[in-house]
Amino acid sequence: GDSVTQMEGPVTLSEEAFLTINCTYTATGYPSLFWYVQYPGEGLQLLLKATKADDKGSNKGFEATYRKETTSFHLEKGSVQVSDSAVYFCALYNQGGKLIFGQGTELSVKP
Amino acid sequence: GAVVSQHPSWVICKSGTSVKIECRSLDFQATTMFWYRQFPKQSLMLMATSNEGSKATYEQGVEKDKFLINHASLTLSTLTVTSAHPEDSSFYICSAPLAGGGDTQYFGPGTRLTVL
Repeated sequence: GDSVTQMEGPVTLSEEAFLTINCTYTATGYPSLFWYVQYPGEGLQLLLKATKADDKGSNKGFEATYRKETTSFHLEKGSVQVSDSAVYFCALYNQGGKLIFGQGTELSVKP
Repeated sequence: GAVVSQHPSWVICKSGTSVKIECRSLDFQATTMFWYRQFPKQSLMLMATSNEGSKATYEQGVEKDKFLINHASLTLSTLTVTSAHPEDSSFYICSAPLAGGGDTQYFGPGTRLTVL
């Protein structure tokens, strides 16, 4: 079945460090891919998305590129801030019309 | 942007009682809504798909008699946890896509249920 695998956390970085959170997927066809962010005690917020191969999603300094050949959608940010501390979820939208989530990666940014 | 609300944001109840959680789309219509359950430090598990005007469809392993879902209107879905037990304690989150489908879902802020 369809699945999403993320790198395990927690990831701890200093402010202004470079961030990469790896995400790979297994799916039938070419699903839309998403990154969602969850702040403590809150629901999920859409961070960015990409709907087809080679698309780059970007928002708030975060970027991710849909790589069909490696079935990946890694999240990157050039300079993280303390306010970026949250849990990040990679997800795909499958042919059945459902979102399939990865296990989430907790990011902690220290000043 | 599209906004989804949930009520209550948290609830504490005694074992054996029933709890109702509401999910509303505030500025758009949602013929479909999704209910997820999230355990601490874990991912979201899809419980069921709520369909306006028809029965909900449940994921494998989810007890439909325990988690009652009603999609009363194009902006409201409710999840009732019946005869709640401590193991039902969790964070419940709903989501909705814009009417007409589409792959982007908008999430509510979640409801923290604690069963004593």
